[in-house]
Amino acid sequence: QKEVEQDPGPLSVPEGAIVSLNCTYSNSAFQYFMWYRQYSRKGPELLMYTYSSGNKEDGRFTAQVDKSSKYISLFIRDSQPSDSATYLCAMAPGGGADGLTFGKGTHLIIQP
Amino acid sequence: NAGVTQTPKFQVLKTGQSMTLQCAQDMNHNSMYWYRQDPGMGLRLIYYSASEGTTDKGEVPNGYNVSRLNKREFSLRLESAAPSQTSVYFCASSSGLVNEQFFGPGTRLTVL
Repeated sequence: QKEVEQDPGPLSVPEGAIVSLNCTYSNSAFQYFMWYRQYSRKGPELLMYTYSSGNKEDGRFTAQVDKSSKYISLFIRDSQPSDSATYLCAMAPGGGADGLTFGKGTHLIIQP
Repeated sequence: NAGVTQTPKFQVLKTGQSMTLQCAQDMNHNSMYWYRQDPGMGLRLIYYSASEGTTDKGEVPNGYNVSRLNKREFSLRLESAAPSQTSVYFCASSSGLVNEQFFGPGTRLTVL
C-alpha cells in the first residue's frame, strides 16, 4: 500500500459546483498537510498548508484534516474553469526541512 | 522576485551521457529539494539539503548526485544517464522552519 492514496480522476464538474478532493494516508506520523495545484507543464503551486486536525479556509478553498481517519480533503466553492488543473496532496511528519510525500494527483476539469 | 528558477527547461540526452540540472532561489530559504515527477507515480523526493553544507538522500537517490553550492543554489547531477531517468525534475525550497515548499517550473529530461 502506497503511503498516500489519491484518486487520479479525471473529475469533471460544471462551473459553480462545489468540488471535493480527497487523500488518504497510512503513516500516522504525518502532521503537516498541504494541497498544491499544478497546471499542465508548470510547477506545483502551494494552495493550502495545515497542521494536525481541523479546518482551514482561504477564499473559495477549505482544507480539512481528520487524523483519526487518516483522511484529508480540499473543497473548492463556486468552481471556475480556471480551477481546472491537477491537485496534489502532500504531507510530512515534521514542520522543518522534511521532504514531502505526495499523492499522485487528481485531474480536475471544470466545465463552462 | 523570481522565486525558484531552473535551467535548462528541456534536455535530451543519450544513454551514458552526463549533465547537471541547476536550481537557484532568491527567497533566502535554508532548505532546498529535488523531486522527479513521472506519469502515474506522482512527485518523489530524490535528494534534499536542509541547510547550506548538508545533503541527504530522499526516496529515489540512485543514479544522482547533488551539490549545495551556496545558500541560493542546489544542483542535481546525472553521471551516466539511463532511459529510466526520463522524467520531469522539479526543484523546491523552503525556509526550513516550516516546510511550505515552493517549486520551480521544472526541467523536462528525455534520455534516449
